[in-house]
Order: sequence, then structure tokens, then C-alpha cells
Amino acid sequence: GAGVSQTPSNKVTEKGKYVELRCDPISGHTALYWYRQSLGQGPEFLIYFQGTGAADDSGLPNDRFFAVRPEGSVSTLKIQRTERGDSAVYLCASSLQGGNPNEQFFGPGTRLTVL
Amino acid sequence: GDSVTQMEGPVTLSEEAFLTINCTYTATGYPSLFWYVQYPGEGLQLLLKATKADDKGSNKGFEATYRKETTSFHLEKGSVQVSDSAVYFCALSRNSGGYQKVTFGTGTKLQVIP
Repeated sequence: GAGVSQTPSNKVTEKGKYVELRCDPISGHTALYWYRQSLGQGPEFLIYFQGTGAADDSGLPNDRFFAVRPEGSVSTLKIQRTERGDSAVYLCASSLQGGNPNEQFFGPGTRLTVL
Repeated sequence: GDSVTQMEGPVTLSEEAFLTINCTYTATGYPSLFWYVQYPGEGLQLLLKATKADDKGSNKGFEATYRKETTSFHLEKGSVQVSDSAVYFCALSRNSGGYQKVTFGTGTKLQVIP
């Protein structure tokens, strides 16, 4: 079956621009997570959705970052007024439910470069 | 807060050598522990996991034992292959408000040469 997909695979933008990153989770997975992976680091949690609602957005670094999941499936991570420090690989993961011991399945990531 | 510390890489080994990648953690409660692998150009994949103390996770010849007394989860493989070249991430998850919040280490790059 299809895994988690993310588009685009690469995004280059200029400082100050707005970007949207899309995640298509595994069909039937109610839990969805966004992570950010900076160069040489492990993934860092950004936000968790259970269904349509953001159950935990404590990892979003500031109010330039926002994510939605309006129909409980596809999610979009939105970054306003991008800065060079936002350059990273943005990973999406999904799981059957949020609770233990559900494994998180990761997408290939979107590499964002802010010039 | 929760944290995971793993040995810095890169680790370069010859084929058929023994592999150890050290991982220690700090967490409240009783986390589950994981090793994820990221092959070049691919997404993160779960390699193995252990959910309680003294459990041993194993997969594809890799194994790791959950040691609560030393707060460690070291990854081992008796004989590595070129195809094992990848970045390995140690991680823990803990129930946080009804879901499993995952904390990752910084990753260890393994290069296996023929």
C-alpha cells in the first residue's frame, strides 16, 4: 500500500516569502505529526493532529508557522515570512491512532531552502 | 525534559565488522525506546523497538536491549554489510496528553566499506 507522501520534495524560496508544504498520510491513519530536521540533527517535533484538530502544537517555533488538517486526512504546513533559519527538512508522519504502541510511519520529507 | 544522546559519527567500518552505536536517554516515567534508520534518499524507517525494561528489540540482524539501570539502548550488529550504510537515530516516546511524543537523538552516520 501507499506510504506517507509529501510534496514538494524540494522547495527553494526567498526570504520573506510564504510557503506551503503538503502531507498525505496513510489512508485510515487518524494521527498525523510534523517534524523539522535541521542539518546534522534529529527530527524535532512541531505539531500533532488527532483527526482534524491540532492536539499539541507546542513544537511550533513561532506564530509564522501554522498547520491545518481540515478533513482529517491531508495536512498542510504553512510558513509565513520565511527566514533563512527555516531551512531544513520538514518531515510528516502518521499513525493509526495517537496512543501507544502505534508506530509512526514517516514520509520522505520536504527539503526547504530559504535564500 | 526528555532527551536522547547518541554517539557522534560518522562511524566507518569494514564489511563483517561488529557494530555498536551507543544511546542513552533521560526521561520521566517509562518511555518506549526505538532505533530508526534513514537510508540515503529515503524516509525514516523503524528498525526496532522495546517498550519496557529488559526487553530486547531485534530486526535484520540488529538488536538493542532496554537497560533501565543505565538508561541505555545501545544498537549492535554482529556483522555489518555495505547495505547497512545509513544514518541511525535513537529515539524515545512517552505518553503525553494521550499520544506518543517522540524525542530523537541527533543521528549517527554509519559507512560500511567493502
